[in-house]
Formats: sequence, structure tokens, C-alpha cells
Amino acid sequence: GNSVTQMEGPVTLSEEAFLTINCTYTATGYPSLFWYVQYPGEGLQLLLKATKADDKGSNKGFEATYRKETTSFHLEKGSVQVSDSAVYFCALDTGRRALTFGSGTRLQVQP
Amino acid sequence: DAGITQSPRYKITETGRQVTLMCHQTWSHSYMFWYRQDLGHGLRLIYYSAAADITDKGEVPDGYVVSRSKTENFPLTLESATRSQTSVYFCASLGIDMTTDTQYFGPGTRLTVL
Repeated sequence: GNSVTQMEGPVTLSEEAFLTINCTYTATGYPSLFWYVQYPGEGLQLLLKATKADDKGSNKGFEATYRKETTSFHLEKGSVQVSDSAVYFCALDTGRRALTFGSGTRLQVQP
Repeated sequence: DAGITQSPRYKITETGRQVTLMCHQTWSHSYMFWYRQDLGHGLRLIYYSAAADITDKGEVPDGYVVSRSKTENFPLTLESATRSQTSVYFCASLGIDMTTDTQYFGPGTRLTVL
């Protein structure tokens, strides 16, 4: 079946540090890949997405590249801010429209 | 209000009681989904619906019932609540426009079963 594996958190960084959150997946076919973010007390918001191999999704300084050869979609940001503190979820869709999520990675950014 | 809303936002109930969680979206999106969020599991799909009167099971459907008589509403019912159903429940919708495949999530309902 389909699955998404994310690095366990929490990830604690100082402001302006470089962020990487690893995500690997197992899926049949050619899934679309997503990163969602959940701020405290809120629902999930789409952060970025990529629909085919080698595509790069980007938004708000975050980037992720769809790597089919390594089945990965790692999230990166060059300089994190306190306001980036949230839980980040990697997810995939194999065409059924429903999403398969990873377990989430909590990011804490300290001033 | 435009968008996707859920009610109630918080609910405490007792084991064995029936509970219905409501979800309403104003975009006329064809697809709607129910997920539950538990620590260590991320979000798991309970049920989804491709259109009015069309529903299908997700990963964890046992103990839940859904209906979709109108496009904009997708209620989730726990027929006889159990403690293991204590969770945060998220509803989502997806437009059928082929240029996008973005799901939009509601704010969630935190359900506690005592």
C-alpha cells in the first residue's frame, strides 16, 4: 500500500538556521506530493506541491523537489523564523484524490 | 462564511452515545473527506465522497457512518462512541477542476469520549 515516512520531531532550531525535514514515500504509480503545515489550534494548510518527477514546489521560502529515483520529497528553507513554528506534514495522492499523510514533524524555532 | 466549516469545534461525550460531526463547504466542491488526527499517526482517512450520494471507505472506517445528500454537507456519525475514537477530526474538500488538486481543510473538531 501507499505510505509516507517523515523524520521524527521535534526539530528545534534557532532563528535564521537552515531547515531540512526529510520525507520518503512508497506508492504505486506516479503520485502527486504535498507539504501541509498546521499552526497551533488550526487546520492544515497547503504549503507546496509537486505533481511529477523533478518538479520543485516552492512557497514562502520553503522548497521541495520531487525525486523519483530516491522516492523523496524533502522540505527545505534557508532561514527559518519564529513564525515558522508549526507541524509539517508530507502527503501523497496516487490519483484517488484522498491523501496519505506522514506522521508529521513538529518544528520549534527559537529567537 | 465562505470556505469550509465544522461544528461543533469541541465535543465531550460518553461511551455508547451517538455523535454527529458536521461539515459544510461553500465552494460546491465535488470531493469531500473525513480524516482523524492522532499523535504519531498523522491524519488517517475515515471516509470520502466523490459527489452527492457517493461515498467510500478510507483507511479507518469502522465505527463511523457518513452520508452526502447535498453537495455542500458531509456529516460524520459515530454510531456508538468508544474511547478509541477520541481524536481530532478534520473535514476537507477538493475541487474537481483538473488544474488543481489542492484539498482545503476545516478547522477541526476535538472529540473526547469518556
